[in-house]
Amino acid sequence: DADVTQTPRNRITKTGKRIMLECSQTKGHDRMYWYRQDPGLGLRLIYYSFDVKDINKGEISDGYSVSRQAQAKFSLSLESAIPNQTALYFCATSVGGEETQYFGPGTRLLVL
Amino acid sequence: GQNIDQPTEMTATEGAIVQINCTYQTSGFNGLFWYQQHAGEAPTFLSYNVLDGLEEKGRFSSFLSRSKGYSYLLLKELQMKDSASYLCAVSLTSGTYKYIFGTGTRLKVLA
Repeated sequence: DADVTQTPRNRITKTGKRIMLECSQTKGHDRMYWYRQDPGLGLRLIYYSFDVKDINKGEISDGYSVSRQAQAKFSLSLESAIPNQTALYFCATSVGGEETQYFGPGTRLLVL
Repeated sequence: GQNIDQPTEMTATEGAIVQINCTYQTSGFNGLFWYQQHAGEAPTFLSYNVLDGLEEKGRFSSFLSRSKGYSYLLLKELQMKDSASYLCAVSLTSGTYKYIFGTGTRLKVLA
């Protein structure tokens, strides 16, 4: 079984809809991250969390919100989706004190 | 500002050696990572350099010069499966985010 899982893997939604992307991990890591990846722009950090009570904005947090329900779960919400949020979204985890990040398989989101 | 530069695309032949360069301008540098990402898949960790010098791991080696803001990833004995994007990333000691990624170098290995 994969250590970092994301659901759904693919999602098509319409402008204005609220959607949630979920991430779960069995690695026991305390730190979790949400990124989006766009062609030509690379990976950009949306939010990160160093433990359940710690949530921080990343480079491009506008239009997004997150929830850290437990150490193993970190959800990303788009309150009112817009077409320029169409992207590939990755969740990642790491252990405090170590810098290596471990990525989930990604969620491909299309906003019409 | 924070900036990472790497070539967009490179092509090499199976069995050859290729060097992928990465230059960075950041404040509060902590270390530099290389990740491999096959098309449509998640990035996977290759190497991490904190100190100046060369780190070797099998067919892959990574070099860092902190004073020059420069790193490279060296891939030896190229195989077809090495066709992928290679992402340079910097971890920071301060700022609103801990990690910034370059846009990646897409490597094509030809038979």
